[in-house]
Amino acid sequence: SQELEQSPQSLIVQEGKNLTINCTSSKTLYGLYWYKQKYGEGLIFLMMLQKGGEEKSHEKITAKLDEKKQQSSLHITASQPSHAGIYLCGADNNNQGGKLIFGQGTELSVKP
Amino acid sequence: DAGVIQSPRHEVTEMGQEVTLRCKPISGHNSLFWYRQTMMRGLELLIYFNNNVPIDDSGMPEDRFSAKMPNASFSTLKIQPSEPRDSAVYFCASSFLLGGEQFFGPGTRLTVL
Repeated sequence: SQELEQSPQSLIVQEGKNLTINCTSSKTLYGLYWYKQKYGEGLIFLMMLQKGGEEKSHEKITAKLDEKKQQSSLHITASQPSHAGIYLCGADNNNQGGKLIFGQGTELSVKP
Repeated sequence: DAGVIQSPRHEVTEMGQEVTLRCKPISGHNSLFWYRQTMMRGLELLIYFNNNVPIDDSGMPEDRFSAKMPNASFSTLKIQPSEPRDSAVYFCASSFLLGGEQFFGPGTRLTVL
């Protein structure tokens, strides 16, 4: 079983619609990182969450950390074609500051 | 800032050959990470350094893999001998502090025939 599971694995939404991607850890979360990747390119850092209940926003993307549930969600409001890509969550399960494991990713397509 | 620089961007080699991947972290960053990404296994951490010292290499798959960081501005990942199952995209990332945001390079796409 995966230590870090993302859902859904893929998502197709109409431009302008809201969406949520979830990331669930089987172990204690000491830090949770969200990245975006375009095919054939490197990962782009989006947000880092370290405290239970923490919520961060950047433009139309909001991420929350539920420490008790060992879960994080990424919410995109009014999606645009520029939001398309693969979203990956990375978790620090060892409190070692840097040793991350990553989920399998959620592939997002936004139809204009 | 130029960001994390990796070379080469693409490498095609034959089984049994030695492969060396190179990484230049962002200036001033103290931590450096090597990852491998495949369709089957996703993104996996291979090894990471802090202040040029290897901290955790438990993700290195076999003795065929080795990594060095001779100074703060350069690191190499070497595979010797290479095998077809090593085909993947290898990413280097750096961060200012351990636990801080990691900035990824564009990756090296390795194909071993």
